[in-house]
Amino acid sequence: QSALTQPASVSGSPGQSITISCTGTSSDVGSYNLVSWYQQHPGKAPKLMIFEVNKRPSGVSNRFFGSKSGNTASLTISGLQAEDEADYYCCSYAGSYTFDVFGGGTKLTVL
Amino acid sequence: QVQLQESGPGLVKPSETLSLTCTVSGGSISSFYWSWIRQPAGKGLEWIGRLYTSGNSDYNPSLKSRVTMSGDTSKNQFSLRLSSVTAADTAVYYCARDRKEAAGYGLDVWGQGTTVTVS
Repeated sequence: QSALTQPASVSGSPGQSITISCTGTSSDVGSYNLVSWYQQHPGKAPKLMIFEVNKRPSGVSNRFFGSKSGNTASLTISGLQAEDEADYYCCSYAGSYTFDVFGGGTKLTVL
Repeated sequence: QVQLQESGPGLVKPSETLSLTCTVSGGSISSFYWSWIRQPAGKGLEWIGRLYTSGNSDYNPSLKSRVTMSGDTSKNQFSLRLSSVTAADTAVYYCARDRKEAAGYGLDVWGQGTTVTVS
């Protein structure tokens, strides 16, 4: 059982927006603005898409937007494109004993 | 740019020790922090541990009793050792770089991953 809870799957049509939630606790997501999101295509290594809740690495499209409210972080992808179809994982810092905890992952299907 | 490459045996016997190495090119392991993450087939990611520039490490509490990480600055490599492995340790193992010399700020460079089967 993953420390952070994500929906198993979400879907959307090209051009639409979707949001993936990532629910933790007051010990991880709720305590630190240290949530990151990763995109993983089949057979590939994860790619950092969002760090520190809402910051994008250089080269990541501004269609990807991160946010947080309380113990839940969210990743919103606007203007869905076929290439966005992938698995998405959230990760939160959880303090100096547990350190990094991942969500179980969400499979995004672009219809 | 910085690139990471995992290497090590693809097959390990139960109860033995899994040993993997991550070779860093285009950058120095003396800068940044370095992590290992694993992913069983069809499942999610699990953070294993982090090597600090000081040479110290921190580990996932669920694996702490079996994990050791270390670095070799002369070879610009860092390594993972996981003892007393079982079938549950079968996974793709990734090495990755922390964006900052601090935990939790994101893993911005990843190796391609290496599959380890315990059997």
